[in-house]
Amino acid sequence: QVQLVQSGAEVKKPGASVKVSCKASGYTFTSFSIHWVRQAPGQRLEWMGRIDAGSDNTKYTDIFQGRVTITRDTSATTVYMELSSLRSEDTAVYYCARGNYYDSTGYYFDYWGQGTLVTVSS
Amino acid sequence: QSVLTQPPSVSGAPGQRVTISCTGSSSNIGAGYDVHWYQQFPGTVPKLLIYGSRIRPSGVPDRFSGSKSGTSASLAISGLQAEDEADYYCQSHDGLSASYVFGTGTKVTVL
Repeated sequence: QVQLVQSGAEVKKPGASVKVSCKASGYTFTSFSIHWVRQAPGQRLEWMGRIDAGSDNTKYTDIFQGRVTITRDTSATTVYMELSSLRSEDTAVYYCARGNYYDSTGYYFDYWGQGTLVTVSS
Repeated sequence: QSVLTQPPSVSGAPGQRVTISCTGSSSNIGAGYDVHWYQQFPGTVPKLLIYGSRIRPSGVPDRFSGSKSGTSASLAISGLQAEDEADYYCQSHDGLSASYVFGTGTKVTVL
């Protein structure tokens, strides 16, 4: 069965970086994209970016202004999301999700990791 | 970043039908991009409920249905049950920003 297993919770100081991993199994890793979505406490879901696991092509939302980097290791079937220059507003649960491309209108997210809480505090 | 607008909350008695609206713009839903819906219980992972605006994945009860028209979409829950009490989010693609956008979220309360 499809599984996405993320790394554990992190506590970071402002200005630091965090790298969260997402280990995929149960499907052909290079046939799908992996997206990162975050959710601050009590807030809505927010899309951060994606990587096409086959081509290594990436796309990020502009709001992070170059602070987010998504990479993948095909041999380990793992995707990584690194967020730099952390600030308190980055405190959130970070999810990876498998992107399924539908009918030329974009992706939906059919399987999700369990989430990783990143806390940014001095 | 564009967002999709949802009502903060909807409520209904068991057995009733409730609908959740998702209002976008000409750069996302109005541009023809499909809408997808997720259900999230407090402290848990979002679960795909509807994709392609109206298609239910295997295992999702047929009480849940989706539709799309113009710049808006809707999720309907018929025969409301206590177990449906959760947060619901719509999601689509925005062609202007070339990114994916989520709705503001709707909390469904079963009275």
